Amino acid sequence: KQEVTQIPAALSVPEGENLVLNCSFTDSAIYNLQWFRQDPGKGLTSLLLIQSSQREQTSGRLNASLDKSSGRSTLYIAASQPGDSATYLCACTGNQFYFGTGTSLTVIP
Amino acid sequence: EPEVTQTPSHQVTQMGQEVILRCVPISNHLYFYWYRQILGQKVEFLVSFYNNEISEKSEIFDDQFSVERPDGSNFTLKIRSTKLEDSAMYFCASGGLLYNEQFFGPGTRLTVL
Repeated sequence: KQEVTQIPAALSVPEGENLVLNCSFTDSAIYNLQWFRQDPGKGLTSLLLIQSSQREQTSGRLNASLDKSSGRSTLYIAASQPGDSATYLCACTGNQFYFGTGTSLTVIP
Repeated sequence: EPEVTQTPSHQVTQMGQEVILRCVPISNHLYFYWYRQILGQKVEFLVSFYNNEISEKSEIFDDQFSVERPDGSNFTLKIRSTKLEDSAMYFCASGGLLYNEQFFGPGTRLTVL
């Protein structure tokens, strides 16, 4: 069974800092990996999707990378803003769909 | 921008009662999903649905659960006899292509008393 882990569980940074969130998975037989953000009590907002054949995807200040062979993905957030404060989740798609435990990000003004 | 909607936003029910959670996926999407998130825990996959049948389901999705697409727009999750441990946030998602991006609804918070 796929196990998806995210480190760190919580992160607090000052505004303007660049940061990296990590996601690791145990089974490299995935079709894609998707990053989401979740605000308290709300649904999930899709940020980036990386297909298994791709190495990275970029959207604005966000860049996600995927290394299937090592079972890792990173989400890089440039020039963080207080509005980036949320929980960030990664999810792997195989025959089923497995979510990580999430990283709770706080950006301090 | 099209979005996935879910109703109700909050459902309170007594243990043993049946509940139906409703979702309206994005209109041209073909793949539909249900997930749940127990408070403080991971989002967990329940079931995927394509071409009017279940394509995958997790071990959580036992005989107490069923899904249906009763018409061209709604996608429902039924829990036949709710248990206390069914209390969770239930998310519906839809996608246009297999193994492509999933778009989530805002969720229904189910509270079983």
